[in-house]
Amino acid sequence: GAGVSQSPSNKVTEKGKDVELRCDPISGHTALYWYRQSLGQGLEFLIYFQGNSAPDKSGLPSDRFSAERTGGSVSTLTIQRTQQEDSAVYLCASSRPGSPQHFGDGTRLSIL
Amino acid sequence: GESVGLHLPTLSVQEGDNSIINCAYSNSASDYFIWYKQESGKGPQFIIDIRSNMDKRQGQRVTVLLNKTVKHLSLQIAATQPGDSAVYFCAENIVGYSTLTFGKGTMLLVSP
Repeated sequence: GAGVSQSPSNKVTEKGKDVELRCDPISGHTALYWYRQSLGQGLEFLIYFQGNSAPDKSGLPSDRFSAERTGGSVSTLTIQRTQQEDSAVYLCASSRPGSPQHFGDGTRLSIL
Repeated sequence: GESVGLHLPTLSVQEGDNSIINCAYSNSASDYFIWYKQESGKGPQFIIDIRSNMDKRQGQRVTVLLNKTVKHLSLQIAATQPGDSAVYFCAENIVGYSTLTFGKGTMLLVSP
């Protein structure tokens, strides 16, 4: 069956540019999460969407980061004016209430 | 803030051995725990979970043990195979809260 799909799988961009990362969750999953994973590190929570509720943005590291989820399905994470420290793998996960989160394979973002 | 941590960053075993990966957690309010496996270039893959009202749960070749007294979680893999080589993360959650807190991970290396 279809899992969580993320695109692009790799993104290289110059410092100062804006980037958009996309996540297609598993159909029927009402919760969607974004995480960031730096090399050799665990996952850092960024933002969480649940149904039509206001998102939990408590993990966003700065106001350059934002995310939206349209129609309760696809989500886009936007990073404005990228910095080199933004280089990481950005992972998306989705879940049903009370069930484990299922992850996509991430977008590897490299800022030159 | 409180966090989840791992005792061993790398575990090397021979094929056919049993493996034990350990995890300490510090948030006594955590009541749901998950183990994920992450292969290179992939997103974390759900292995097994356990709720705090249990102290042991078994899956296929894997067992998770939870000791709430000392806030310790372990993942046991029976008859370890080369395909088990990956980074293993434990994660904790407080039921009703949105986010998972991940440890830094343990790399499991299985030699044939």
